[in-house]
Amino acid sequence: QKEVEQDPGPLSVPEGAIVSLNCTYSNSAFQYFMWYRQYSRKGPELLMYTYSSGNKEDGRFTAQVDKSSKYISLFIRDSQPSDSATYLCAMRPRAAGNKLTFGGGTRVLVKP
Amino acid sequence: GAVVSQHPSWVICKSGTSVKIECRSLDFQATTMFWYRQFPKQSLMLMATSNEGSKATYEQGVEKDKFLINHASLTLSTLTVTSAHPEDSSFYICSALTGTGAEKLFFGSGTQLSVL
Repeated sequence: QKEVEQDPGPLSVPEGAIVSLNCTYSNSAFQYFMWYRQYSRKGPELLMYTYSSGNKEDGRFTAQVDKSSKYISLFIRDSQPSDSATYLCAMRPRAAGNKLTFGGGTRVLVKP
Repeated sequence: GAVVSQHPSWVICKSGTSVKIECRSLDFQATTMFWYRQFPKQSLMLMATSNEGSKATYEQGVEKDKFLINHASLTLSTLTVTSAHPEDSSFYICSALTGTGAEKLFFGSGTQLSVL
């Protein structure tokens, strides 16, 4: 079993819809949680960064962390075709330096 | 955000040759850089941590003699795939830290290596 599980998709939504993404994990030591967006054959780009449980909002993006359930989510409001990409969750324990454990990524397609 | 430049973006080579990939931090100094490997539709797998002026730290299962990492300056790390074989074909990505904290980690644009 992988430490971080993420549905590979593809997740197809119409333009303007809310995109809902999530990851589950097994390591209770994970404290820092990140979401990255990766376009095809490009490096990942950091979208959201949260510490421990709670919600964080940044523009159209909302990240949620539920440590009791070992479950994190990313919501994208008013989705645009330019949001079509692969979204990777990543996480690490407090004392792991910057060595991240990544989910496999979810491919998202936003159709005009 | 900070800019990490990775070159080349695409390389095709013959089996048995060596290929060098460069990772540069353009507007900051990076004492630590990371090298990842990514197979199609799969996640990033950390290969090694590159520290300026010292030997790289390799993850379990990564061959040190196969994947040579050099971090000779605060703005440049290189990954050399030696005696490349078709199974080394993959997407290689570097990242660099601008400071402490995962939010300070920025990625290069990746290099697609195809070994014939």
